Order: sequence, then C-alpha cells, then structure tokens
Amino acid sequence: QSVLTQPPSVSAAPGQRVTISCSGSSSNIGSKYVSWYQQVPGTAPKLLIYDTSERPSGIPDRFSGSKSGTSATLVITGLQTGDEADYYCGTWDNSLSIGVFGGGTKLTVL
Amino acid sequence: QLQLQESGPGLVKPSETLSLTCAVSGAPLMSEIHYWAWVRQPPGKGLEWIGAINYSGNTYYDPSLKRRVTIFTDTSKMEFSLILTSVTAADTAVYYCARGRLLSDYFDYWGQGALATVSS
Repeated sequence: QSVLTQPPSVSAAPGQRVTISCSGSSSNIGSKYVSWYQQVPGTAPKLLIYDTSERPSGIPDRFSGSKSGTSATLVITGLQTGDEADYYCGTWDNSLSIGVFGGGTKLTVL
Repeated sequence: QLQLQESGPGLVKPSETLSLTCAVSGAPLMSEIHYWAWVRQPPGKGLEWIGAINYSGNTYYDPSLKRRVTIFTDTSKMEFSLILTSVTAADTAVYYCARGRLLSDYFDYWGQGALATVSS
C-alpha cells in the first residue's frame, strides 16, 4: 500500500474543473513540499507541480497545487482531452527517510 | 538540456542480479543541490521509489528493498547504477532513473524507462 493516498480515478467533461487529492501524514505532506506528475501510459512521468504550488516553465496555469495540513490537492481547470493521463503525488517522508508516491489517479475526460 | 538514458538487460532469471545504468548528459553528476534516484513501475501499477544517492555518496533505500539494492555513481563515466539482487517475478517493472532536487524532493528530469522482466 502506498504511503500517500489518492483516489483511483476521477472524471469530468471537457472544459470543466477536476480536483485530485493526496492524503498523507505529519511526517510527509504535513512537513514537506509536494510534487505532482502526469504520466501518459507508455511514457515517463512529467513534472507538473513542485514545491507544492509552483509550475515548471511550459506547464499551463490550468494546473495548480495546494496543501492543507496533511493533504495536498491538484486542480485542473478547463479540462482538455489531452489531459487524460495518470497523476501521481510525491514527497519525502521524514520518518522513513525515503521518497514516497501516491498510488496514482486515472483522469478520464468524458 | 539534461538527458538521462537507462540501459541494461531486458530479461533476468529469478534469483539472479539485475543491473541497470543511467547515463547522464547535459548537467554535472556532482551537484550539491541534486540527487540521483531510481523509481520503478510494475506493469499496470503505480510508481515505486527505490532509492537515491546524493553528491556526498550518501544513499537512501526503500526499507522493503534495502537488503537487496545498491546504488552508486561513476563520475568518470557520468553515470549512476542500480544493482538489485535475488530478483523474483515481483521485480518485473519499468525502471526509471531521475534527478531529484534536494529539500524540495521533486524529480525534474526522468529517463525514458527500461523494462526489466524476471523470468526463467
């Protein structure tokens, strides 16, 4: 089982807004930065959000991240069919002294 | 532009050793603000953090793999490697190498991935 918990799937129509949650604990999300990755099947993960809410250059502002306590959230607005992918949250766990990922969330754009 | 490229045998027999190498180009291997990591993804499953090494040579391994895994760098060849011993079918996965950012702990560059299948 993953240290971080994500919903297995979410779905929404094109143009709409979707949120993906990532739940952890005080030893990881509660005290560390969170990152988010987008993975199209058959390709390597791509960094979407770092330092909880920062976007790398080239990532549109339709993607945003936030954190509250021991949970983090990825929000995607103005959904496009090209956003269909698996999304993973990640961070460091101070108790385990290792990096950890969520189990991943499959986004379907209806 | 940093590029990472994994290489290694695609097929390994059960109980044998899996060796993978990640060639780094476009950025220094010895960076005080980065570390080098291995992440794997079993077929149809999520990402699994295996381990990492920083510029000081300090290593961090997932506790469930710690007895079987070693990560090391070869600065003369600009590459870092993963050794996984006593493999079983459960180790079948796509193995990614990636660059991590210290303190922020995000991976900004990833290799394309290398499939390693454990089968007799």
